[in-house]
Amino acid sequence: SQQGEEDPQALSIQEGENATMNCSYKTSINNLQWYRQNSGRGLVHLILIRSNEREKHSGRLRVTLDTSKKSSSLLITASRAADTASYFCATTLTGGGNKLTFGTGTQLKVEL
Amino acid sequence: DTGVSQDPRHKITKRGQNVTFRCDPISEHNRLYWYRQTLGQGPEFLTYFQNEAQLEKSRLLSDRFSAERPKGSFSTLEIQRTEQGDSAMYLCASSIRGGQGVSPLHFGNGTRLTVT
Repeated sequence: SQQGEEDPQALSIQEGENATMNCSYKTSINNLQWYRQNSGRGLVHLILIRSNEREKHSGRLRVTLDTSKKSSSLLITASRAADTASYFCATTLTGGGNKLTFGTGTQLKVEL
Repeated sequence: DTGVSQDPRHKITKRGQNVTFRCDPISEHNRLYWYRQTLGQGPEFLTYFQNEAQLEKSRLLSDRFSAERPKGSFSTLEIQRTEQGDSAMYLCASSIRGGQGVSPLHFGNGTRLTVT
């Protein structure tokens, strides 16, 4: 079963615009990670935020975490065509061992 | 670091046949995971190993599925008596045990299984 739900399911923007994706999850977590997947390929890790952190930056990526609302957001600034991919949030659950539980994903399309 | 390697990339089989997939993790990684992904969905956890020990197995994994990781290196995932519902992308990932047990997963490009 999926732990998280991403919103929106699909997003289409113009190159240079910012893209924001949201993730909601159901149960208490240790950390939350975001991954990107290009069509037909494996997933690539983007960023990890721990449950005691509220915001984290990596290059053009900004991730926020609100544990009281059980939600996270991923912001990609100044998007490029190469950012076109599916983006997934994934959580490690409190008491859930070491496995990552993935959400349903947001399909991002960045048009020239 | 040559990345996580999976073989084959594609497998087409007839219903009822057995199939086996192989995963070679990043060499220094002691954790290895198997996930299954169907179209439009996120990956679903199947099982994970720490070294050669299989530490967790999803309830999704029926008794037709078995995974091994002999000597804590490569891993194999076997599906016996395949069914059409087994058609999916099978993803392998590896990681190294980090601080507080948290570290990112490195994924292979998957094996796409089609059961006809």
